[in-house]
Amino acid sequence: GEEVAQTPKHLVRGEGQKAKLYCAPIKGHSYVFWYQQVLKNEFKFLISFQNENVFDETGMPKERFSAKCLPNSPCSLEIQATKLEDSAVYFCASSRQGLNQPQHFGDGTRLSIL
Amino acid sequence: RKEVEQDPGPFNVPEGATVAFNCTYSNSASQSFFWYRQDCRKEPKLLMSVYSSGNEDGRFTAQLNRASQYISLLIRDSKLSDSATYLCVVTNNDMRFGAGTRLTVKP
Repeated sequence: GEEVAQTPKHLVRGEGQKAKLYCAPIKGHSYVFWYQQVLKNEFKFLISFQNENVFDETGMPKERFSAKCLPNSPCSLEIQATKLEDSAVYFCASSRQGLNQPQHFGDGTRLSIL
Repeated sequence: RKEVEQDPGPFNVPEGATVAFNCTYSNSASQSFFWYRQDCRKEPKLLMSVYSSGNEDGRFTAQLNRASQYISLLIRDSKLSDSATYLCVVTNNDMRFGAGTRLTVKP
């Protein structure tokens, strides 16, 4: 597609439940990035992929967070055993050829942990 | 010290004013620089890339000073629709966002 498509737009989970977010990058873009924005604060980089391979995962919390980009499927970000502090907007972005090109962002998924 | 620092503002200016934002970065090996704007509760959208020689796009001018490790964004003849948060983005081996500068343009 011509836009980064993120689903769902909103996701509400009880503390301790699992949350799974999806992202379809722009067609032809090789790189996918996930960010977390808590309230209106800074963007926190989580993880990036080059095609289906993890490119950089230095921002991923070691526990509870995982992500995949499989061929012919939307990319996904999964949070196990969610905590209140996971409440945030999770943005996905894609770029054609990596970091030195602009990234195009999806609308984000607003995750609320109750 | 944060890797990318911006004045959080808010900047409140009248329509037609000229306003400038600065952003400093700590990693001298940084390679690419961008300004994004983010409207309330929306996704960031690329405003412009910043090139070493400086670049202009209509009312917007971006400049890069590698020696002093800062980039700037100048908005001339500001419009109400320019009200947004402006994010400075710097890349090296990863992409780092500033916290954003909030601009409100008032009639």
